[in-house]
Amino acid sequence: KAGVTQTPRYLIKTRGQQVTLSCSPISGHRSVSWYQQTPGQGLQFLFEYFSETQRNKGNFPGRFSGRQFSNSRSEMNVSTLELGDSALYLCASSFGNSGNTIYFGEGSWLTVV
Amino acid sequence: AQSVTQPDIHITVSEGASLELRCNYSYGATPYLFWYVQSPGQGLQLLLKYFSGDTLVQGIKGFEAEFKRSQSSFNLRKPSVHWSDAAEYFCAVVRTGGGNKLTFGTGTQLKVEL
Repeated sequence: KAGVTQTPRYLIKTRGQQVTLSCSPISGHRSVSWYQQTPGQGLQFLFEYFSETQRNKGNFPGRFSGRQFSNSRSEMNVSTLELGDSALYLCASSFGNSGNTIYFGEGSWLTVV
Repeated sequence: AQSVTQPDIHITVSEGASLELRCNYSYGATPYLFWYVQSPGQGLQLLLKYFSGDTLVQGIKGFEAEFKRSQSSFNLRKPSVHWSDAAEYFCAVVRTGGGNKLTFGTGTQLKVEL
């Protein structure tokens, strides 16, 4: 079956704009998590959604938000983009509540200019 | 707060040589443990995971890892490295009962000399 699908793969935005990234989890998976990867900070957890409810949240400003739909697809939004938001944004999906294998998508490369 | 330490930022090995990448975690209870690999410009591919049971786990691409509770370690090994193994390797943990939130180590960049 298909893996975790993220769109778009690459995008360039201007400071002050907003961006929405999309993630389709593996079929049947109800947990979706988002991570930011940068050379300086490494892999950092943004948030996790399970059955449309945000269950965990990382230490990011309120400009970063997300949601999950009834079909488990998820979106994350970053408003008022800053140069430092340039990063690889990774989505991960998992079947259940905890103690399950976690699979990642190929990521969305965001460049803020 | 839990943390994951990968003490080796860069490792260089010759093709055909054995490999061991170190990972230590800091957490009161045994977490769920993972190793992922990332090639340039790509996402994370799961190599193997440990939840419970046998402390030696086998993964894809000939990798294995051993969980040692007494040392809070989960080191990744491969008996014979191939040039295609050159990539960045991440150790990660999930707190038991903590949903699916992964805490990652800083990664180890593996270079393979031909």
